[in-house]
Amino acid sequence: EIVLTQSPATLSFYPGETATLSCRASQNVSPYLAWYQQKPGQAPRLLIYDVSHRDTGIPARFSGSGSGTDFTLTISSLEPEDFAVYYCQQRSNWPLTFGGGTKVEIK
Amino acid sequence: EVQLVETGGGLIQPGGSLRLSCVASGFTVSGNYMSWVRQAPGKGLEWVSTIYSTEITHYADSLRGRFSISRDNSKNMLSLHMNNLTAEDTAVYYCARGGGDAFDVWGQGTVVTVSS
Repeated sequence: EIVLTQSPATLSFYPGETATLSCRASQNVSPYLAWYQQKPGQAPRLLIYDVSHRDTGIPARFSGSGSGTDFTLTISSLEPEDFAVYYCQQRSNWPLTFGGGTKVEIK
Repeated sequence: EVQLVETGGGLIQPGGSLRLSCVASGFTVSGNYMSWVRQAPGKGLEWVSTIYSTEITHYADSLRGRFSISRDNSKNMLSLHMNNLTAEDTAVYYCARGGGDAFDVWGQGTVVTVSS
């Protein structure tokens, strides 16, 4: 099973700052890495698929990068609605796995 | 509009069985990878199962044998049959389009509580 590690579990920012979130895989998952956003009481929402492709309607301030085992989600100029939990997920191998999540909170 | 709506959750006693359903609109379940993902209270996301193509299925190792995924193309519906439930199965269960692809459409979730 491929383990995805997201650390730290919580990051604090002021609105307008840039957030950089990390996801590390226990083996190569390129290019099959996705990022999701989840707000309290809501279903997750797909932000990025295949490392760097934004899903339909996702603002350009969200970007993904990385390769092999190390991946990054960058949120430029955080908006109030961006404070949420973010998960990475791999579909390179079965079983599919998610990272433990990073909560982006307001400082 | 592309949409998924889950039903079937509820309170069930340990050892019991439950069937969750998910009706799709705006696309066909038969033409897509379809999956179940769950989230225990206060925890992260956990993939449960995926079905695709000519009824090829995959399951999380810890659930194999107790959970069974299926689809009814005539009703455009996905199902999850869950047996021998324990407290550890308490979670919000989401139906999602994807598995072989990223999960790009999600239902609102249905709550399963296993308790005596």
